[in-house]
Amino acid sequence: DSGVTQTPKHLITATGQRVTLRCSPRSGDLSVYWYQQSLDQGLQFLIQYYNGEERAKGNILERFSAQQFPDLHSELNLSSLELGDSALYFCASSVPAGGSPLHFGNGTRLTVT
Amino acid sequence: GESVGLHLPTLSVQEGDNSIINCAYSNSASDYFIWYKQESGKGPQFIIDIRSNMDKRQGQRVTVLLNKTVKHLSLQIAATQPGDSAVYFCAEIPIIQGAQKLVFGQGTRLTINP
Repeated sequence: DSGVTQTPKHLITATGQRVTLRCSPRSGDLSVYWYQQSLDQGLQFLIQYYNGEERAKGNILERFSAQQFPDLHSELNLSSLELGDSALYFCASSVPAGGSPLHFGNGTRLTVT
Repeated sequence: GESVGLHLPTLSVQEGDNSIINCAYSNSASDYFIWYKQESGKGPQFIIDIRSNMDKRQGQRVTVLLNKTVKHLSLQIAATQPGDSAVYFCAEIPIIQGAQKLVFGQGTRLTINP
C-alpha cells in the first residue's frame, strides 16, 4: 500500500459530462501529481501541485483542471468529456525534497460512453 | 526534447532465471532515475531508484545499473518469480528543473514461464 488514496475506483459517464476525481496524498507529502494512462500507453504527466500551488504543467487539456486544498488533498476535474478521455487517472505524491520517488495510488478508471 | 524509451516491449523469462530490463534516456540533464512495477489494475509501485553520481544500486533481488556515457539504465531481477510478472517502467527526473516532472518510458511487460 503506497498510502495514496484515490476515489472513486471506477467511473462511467457519458460524453459531454463533467467528473471529479479525488486524491489524498501520503501523510506528510506536500506534492501531488496527476497522470493519465490510456490503454497500452505509458503514463502522461498532467499537472503537479505543491502545498496548494500549481508547480508544473504537462499535457493537460484546457477542459481539465485541478486544485489542491489546504488539507493537501487534490481534485482533478474533467469536463466536456470525450470518448478519448477514457483512461486510468493516477495520482501520486512525494516529499518536498528533490530527488525523491513518487508514490502512486491505484488510480481511477474513467470510461466515457 | 526529453524522451525515455525501452529497448523491448515484452520480455519472457523462465521462473528462477534472472531478468534484465533495459531503458534508454536522452536527457543529459536527468540526474535521478526510478524503476516502477505496475501490476494489472494497480498503480505503479516504486521498486528502486538511483542518482547520477552512482553506477549501481542494489535492493532486495533487484539491481539497477546506470551507464551515463551511453545514457542507459537497466533493472536486473534475480531469481524471477511469478509475482514479478508486471509492466516495468523506467522514469527520469532532471532535478535541476525544480519541479519533479517524471518522464516515463512506454514500459516492458515481463512474463514468467513456469
